[in-house]
Formats: sequence, structure tokens, C-alpha cells
Amino acid sequence: AQTVTQSQPEMSVQEAETVTLSCTYDTSENNYYLFWYKQPPSRQMILVIRQEAYKQQNATENRFSVNFQKAAKSFSLKISDSQLGDTAMYFCAFMRSGANNLFFGTGTRLTVIP
Amino acid sequence: KAGVTQTPRYLIKTRGQQVTLSCSPISGHRSVSWYQQTPGQGLQFLFEYFSETQRNKGNFPGRFSGRQFSNSRSEMNVSTLELGDSALYLCASSQDGASNQPQHFGDGTRLSIL
Repeated sequence: AQTVTQSQPEMSVQEAETVTLSCTYDTSENNYYLFWYKQPPSRQMILVIRQEAYKQQNATENRFSVNFQKAAKSFSLKISDSQLGDTAMYFCAFMRSGANNLFFGTGTRLTVIP
Repeated sequence: KAGVTQTPRYLIKTRGQQVTLSCSPISGHRSVSWYQQTPGQGLQFLFEYFSETQRNKGNFPGRFSGRQFSNSRSEMNVSTLELGDSALYLCASSQDGASNQPQHFGDGTRLSIL
């Protein structure tokens, strides 16, 4: 079974600063995908960034980047130049290769302070 | 391109009733997955449909069922509603359900059981 752990229930960051959200996971699979999703108060789950486990290079998407440590089963999200619109719940998620169901962590509520 | 559309947005039911939720995927997407989001249990996978067939199922009782139509629209049905079924139900679609494709989520249906 897969489990995803987000140990930071809440975080805050000053506007324009950098913040890192933590995520660890447990799996016996070798091929899988990891995701960070953002859920603002509007409720819609929005894909922020995706990482394929077989790729050593960390994924980046504009101000968002990940630090993927496969051996440590760690997948943290770094948000640079934080903006007020980044305020949301952030969920780390795991998907086994060949499957199409996501396993989510419990989420981190991020507040960007003006 | 229109996003994933879920109807209704809000629903109030009483214990023992049944309910049907609807999800229209992004045009061209053939895979539809359903998730339940509650404060206590977080986000949990319910089931996935592809080409009108249930392809994957989470750990939920038989009261939870679904179906998919030839136009890829999907419905989820919950019978004999319980208080614990109060949740945000999210639908996600992807092109053909391959795990290397991102899932796109709708805004969800907020179901409240009185």
C-alpha cells in the first residue's frame, strides 16, 4: 500500500519570500509519479507540478520547483517569490505507474502574508 | 476548452435517501475518476471509469456506485445515505487514463447529510 505524509498542517510565508513544503511517501514500487496539487478556497484541485520517478532531474514550473530524493522517498515543493494568489491548501500525491488513482497526503495550508 | 464540469455544486439530503452526482469530463477525455474529500479522512479514491467500464475501485462500501456513458460523462450514486457521507466529491478526467497524464479536476459537489 502507498502512503503519503505531509507533516506540516499549516505554514505561512511573507509575500515575495520563498517557502518549502515537505512530503514523504512510502511505496515498494519502482515506477511511479508524484504530484503537487493546489486547492484554493474555490475548491478546484489544480495541478502545480509533476515528477516522474525515473527522472533524476527535479521538475520545475516557473516559480515552483521540487526536490525529489528517491532513496529517501522525499518530494518537497519550493515556491519562490510567493504571491498572494499562492494562498491555498497544497496536497502531495502519488500514483503508481500503470494505475490511474491518486493517493493524497493530508495537505498543508499555506498562507501568504502581504 | 471547457474544464471538468460537476453538477450540482451543492446538495442537501437526509439520512436514508439516495443521491446522484454528475461529472462531464474535458472534451476528448475518456477516463473519469471520483474522489471523496472529508476533513477526517482527507482525499480518498472512489473509482475510475474508462470506456463505460469501471477499471479501478477504492475501498468504499457497495452503497457507492457509478457509471459512465458513451459520451464519457459519468455519474456517481450513493444509496442509503449516512451522516458520514457528508463530503466534497471531486471528479477528475484524463485523456485515456494512462498514469503519465495529469488528472484535471472539477470544482466538486458539496454533499451535506442532515
